[in-house]
Amino acid sequence: DQQVKQNSPSLSVQEGRISILNCDYTNSMFDYFLWYKKYPAEGPTFLISISSIKDKNEDGRFTVFLNKSAKHLSLHIVPSQPGDSAVYFCAAAYSATNKLIFGTGTLLAVQP
Amino acid sequence: DAGITQSPRHKVTETGTPVTLRCHQTENHRYMYWYRQDPGHGLRLIHYSYGVKDTDKGEVSDGYSVSRSKTEDFLLTLESATSSQTSVYFCAISEPGRSYGYTFGSGTRLTVV
Repeated sequence: DQQVKQNSPSLSVQEGRISILNCDYTNSMFDYFLWYKKYPAEGPTFLISISSIKDKNEDGRFTVFLNKSAKHLSLHIVPSQPGDSAVYFCAAAYSATNKLIFGTGTLLAVQP
Repeated sequence: DAGITQSPRHKVTETGTPVTLRCHQTENHRYMYWYRQDPGHGLRLIHYSYGVKDTDKGEVSDGYSVSRSKTEDFLLTLESATSSQTSVYFCAISEPGRSYGYTFGSGTRLTVV
């Protein structure tokens, strides 16, 4: 049973526009959420995170929004750049463990 | 990341043979993890370790075993490789209280023929 879901396998955006990546989760015990970015032939790298006590966290061009009632989070990238082209994974955890549960990933392509 | 290395980077092996993948860290992090990445499945946890000789199963542990005899090394063993274990394997490390920010290795691409 997939506890963390990314329903869009891929997304294509023009350079300079906004990229919105979505993620849904089913386990209400999750209290911490993260986004990772992965380039080909490399390991995932941490991008941004949010605690369940917040509904928004911003870091430069990257903003994560959390809607706990809908069990939904999203990553906004503004403005999108060609270097942002990568696979993005959302992940979730709860305080009782130190294990991350990952989604299936979304391949973002930013067109010049 | 220079603090975590995986070896080998690529391996082709035959069905039924044993295979061991190594993860080595220089960060002295307590927690270590093995994930596999497959199309349509994302990253799935195989096994993890909370300290030396302290390991536990993840969501896809069947056919895999692990050992951690030193803080810096976490070994993943496929006792008898099968074609379904063809995948990219990632090791990750973390430290308690660091907001779950894992550091991943560069991965090992394993092909079982």
